[in-house]
Amino acid sequence: GENVEQHPSTLSVQEGDSAVIKCTYSDSASNYFPWYKQELGKRPQLIIDIRSNVGEKKDQRIAVTLNKTAKHFSLHITETQPEDSAVYFCAARNAVVQAAGNKLTFGGGTRVLVKP
Amino acid sequence: KAGVTQTPRYLIKTRGQQVTLSCSPISGHRSVSWYQQTPGQGLQFLFEYFSETQRNKGNFPGRFSGRQFSNSRSEMNVSTLELGDSALYLCASSLEQAVYGYTFGSGTRLTVV
Repeated sequence: GENVEQHPSTLSVQEGDSAVIKCTYSDSASNYFPWYKQELGKRPQLIIDIRSNVGEKKDQRIAVTLNKTAKHFSLHITETQPEDSAVYFCAARNAVVQAAGNKLTFGGGTRVLVKP
Repeated sequence: KAGVTQTPRYLIKTRGQQVTLSCSPISGHRSVSWYQQTPGQGLQFLFEYFSETQRNKGNFPGRFSGRQFSNSRSEMNVSTLELGDSALYLCASSLEQAVYGYTFGSGTRLTVV
């Protein structure tokens, strides 16, 4: 089955700096890669996603890049703010094969701390 | 539009007991997935239901089971609770098959003592 590895497990940055989180996946058939943000005591929330026919996607201060050949994808947060402090999870899924259903395989998470 | 609703929010049970957790998806969402979240193991997939049928199952023992009703509401049951079952149980719903992105509920925090 799919395996997703996420690095680093913790990341401390100064406010205004950039943060980068990297994930690798094992199943070359995976074609959908969402990122979730989970603040302390709250539910995971989808912040951005990318499909395998796209190499990069941006939404204001966040962006995701995908390298299908190397089977890795990354989350980039620019101009970090204290409210960006949270745990971030990457995930992967084969979104074409119906039998795969809606199962997401998650990375282990990255705890991001933005220091004011 | 109401989000994904999970009840109860918190639960304390004793080893050996059983527990039932409930998840009401967003109106119109027919797929419900369940995840176990622990500090050590992250988010682990339990199972997914679509149109009252279990479509996927993760690597959990048979003590973990679930079902989905005709209104798409789902329940999961854990029998013979163990201390290691203490976790946050999250359910997520999505519109239909092979749709991108979940919406998660706030979870049920289960503590087994």
